[in-house]
Amino acid sequence: QQQVKQSPQSLIVQKGGISIINCAYENTAFDYFPWYQQFPGKGPALLIAIRPDVSEKKEGRFTISFNKSAKQFSLHIMDSQPGDSATYFCAASSIPNQAGTALIFGKGTTLSVSS
Amino acid sequence: DGGITQSPKYLFRKEGQNVTLSCEQNLNHDAMYWYRQDPGQGLRLIYYSQIVNDFQKGDIAEGYSVSREKKESFPLTVTSAQKNPTAFYLCASSLGSGVDSPLHFGNGTRLTVT
Repeated sequence: QQQVKQSPQSLIVQKGGISIINCAYENTAFDYFPWYQQFPGKGPALLIAIRPDVSEKKEGRFTISFNKSAKQFSLHIMDSQPGDSATYFCAASSIPNQAGTALIFGKGTTLSVSS
Repeated sequence: DGGITQSPKYLFRKEGQNVTLSCEQNLNHDAMYWYRQDPGQGLRLIYYSQIVNDFQKGDIAEGYSVSREKKESFPLTVTSAQKNPTAFYLCASSLGSGVDSPLHFGNGTRLTVT
């Protein structure tokens, strides 16, 4: 019940295409869902996050879609660019209103955008 | 610029030796964390500290030790008891533990033990 399952493990997208990464969770108490972006040799950085009171959040080319009933959330990268090539981690908070140690991370998706 | 500094970037050690990884932050954050990253395994929490002179074990603390004598510093020692120490180690910090306090990560130390 404490897992966050992320798919696919790797993804290759053509420049200008849409990249979609999916995550699923089982515990309905999870209430905060961030995505982190990690470039090679660097630490992850918060990209975008969503709370379960909204079904979608958009920041530039990045959109989180959230389906509470299905216990799934996904990251969509529109007009994917080579500079988006990175590893993406979804996460979920196992304690209401908490991040930090409450975050459970997915195993990551390595995205390659070909030019 | 405020941030988290991890040093060194690459570290090589012989099996059986203890090694200490440095983590310093100038963000004035109260909480600090150590994560281990292995290919295809995501981020796993080793230790965390929410206040100076206090720290707690995370999910995979066996074979590791930490100290938090100063707010800015949270060094991690990988001991000889850690059975599989070769990994990418990430230090992070946050202002607090709420959802309005995202994790800020350093750029990691890649440890290779042979």
